[in-house]
Amino acid sequence: AQSVAQPEDQVNVAEGNPLTVKCTYSVSGNPYLFWYVQYPNRGLQFLLKYITGDNLVKGSYGFEAEFNKSQTSFHLKKPSALVSDSALYFCAVRDLYSSASKIIFGSGTRLSIRP
Amino acid sequence: DTGVSQDPRHKITKRGQNVTFRCDPISEHNRLYWYRQTLGQGPEFLTYFQNEAQLEKSRLLSDRFSAERPKGSFSTLEIQRTEQGDSAMYLCASRPRETGTNEKLFFGSGTQLSVL
Repeated sequence: AQSVAQPEDQVNVAEGNPLTVKCTYSVSGNPYLFWYVQYPNRGLQFLLKYITGDNLVKGSYGFEAEFNKSQTSFHLKKPSALVSDSALYFCAVRDLYSSASKIIFGSGTRLSIRP
Repeated sequence: DTGVSQDPRHKITKRGQNVTFRCDPISEHNRLYWYRQTLGQGPEFLTYFQNEAQLEKSRLLSDRFSAERPKGSFSTLEIQRTEQGDSAMYLCASRPRETGTNEKLFFGSGTQLSVL
């Protein structure tokens, strides 16, 4: 079965510092990996995806993610955090065995950026 | 604004009542998904439509749940004889036809259901 794990429920970072939100995956075959963000009272928004190609993927709002096949990880990163980055972040993987191409989400990591 | 609309935003109901939610996807999107999200968890897949055809349902979707997309446009999700365990945020998402590697889901803001 395809799955992702987010080992941290919460990450706290000072504004201006780099941030990392961790994700590991378990996939048979080549993974399709995603990051989504959920702001309060709003729907999930797509941040970035990895399907093939460069291991470093750039996305919205200055975020990037690094695909590491040997460590089965897809960590989300940003060089300099903003208070407005505070939100709930979900790592996700496409279910390759689903006719719906459904996406399976992790449990989420709450990112809190302090001024 | 993702363009996916869900109605209502909030629903409070008593146990045993039926409820129905509506989702209007982005107009050119032929693929529609329903997910459920409880506090502290990621969204869980419930069901999927391609045009008007319901092609996949999760085992989470008991026989009290039914979803339709009659004309391949808007969709409804009905829960009959609601239980307290049904309390959750119900999310709708849509996606356009497969074009290359277009894998992005567009989510609505969700319907928050509270069953008393």
